[in-house]
Amino acid sequence: DVKVTQSSRYLVKRTGEKVFLECVQDMDHENMFWYRQDPGLGLRLIYFSYDVKMKEKGDIPEGYSVSREKKERFSLILESASTNQTSMYLCASSLRTALNYGYTFGSGTRLTVV
Amino acid sequence: SQKIEQNSEALNIQEGKTATLTCNYTNYSPAYLQWYRQDPGRGPVFLLLIRENEKEKRKERLKVTFDTTLKQSLFHITASQPADSATYLCALDETSGTYKYIFGTGTRLKVLA
Repeated sequence: DVKVTQSSRYLVKRTGEKVFLECVQDMDHENMFWYRQDPGLGLRLIYFSYDVKMKEKGDIPEGYSVSREKKERFSLILESASTNQTSMYLCASSLRTALNYGYTFGSGTRLTVV
Repeated sequence: SQKIEQNSEALNIQEGKTATLTCNYTNYSPAYLQWYRQDPGRGPVFLLLIRENEKEKRKERLKVTFDTTLKQSLFHITASQPADSATYLCALDETSGTYKYIFGTGTRLKVLA
């Protein structure tokens, strides 16, 4: 089974801190994604990457950046954390065409910014 | 504007009955539509994918239909069990045939014993 591992289940950070969320997948998937999930708003795409060193903005990239130096690892960076970035963050990966197997999600990181 | 709509109200049904969840979309022309299950505090888990040229897809007790004229997908769970209680999300490819999926907000299903 494909595994997508997010480094932390729960994080509490202070306003203004630089925050790193790490995601690792073990099945050689080309595509990787970062979403945030908030009640009533569903899953919103922050950034995605379809290859090493490649990245594209999703629907809500402001305040975030990403890094993909190796195929298996996709990092989300909050440059200066703010309280409105308190959310559940979900990483996902997929084969290039994401057809028969869909996305594989990690368990999520619940980030609280105080 | 583009929208994916799932019933935001929880659906409560009795054990053994068929649960039917709806996903409607506007101003998209997806080639593929997916359904996921999400348990509280966990990431979504992929269940089924249906292509635009498929009317129906089945997997064990699950059945998905896809009507591109109505711009709607229906997700059925037959012989429902309390263990089926979860939130179910639909997702469609944002631009037909791409790998980038847009998710609905999900419908919470509760199966009562």
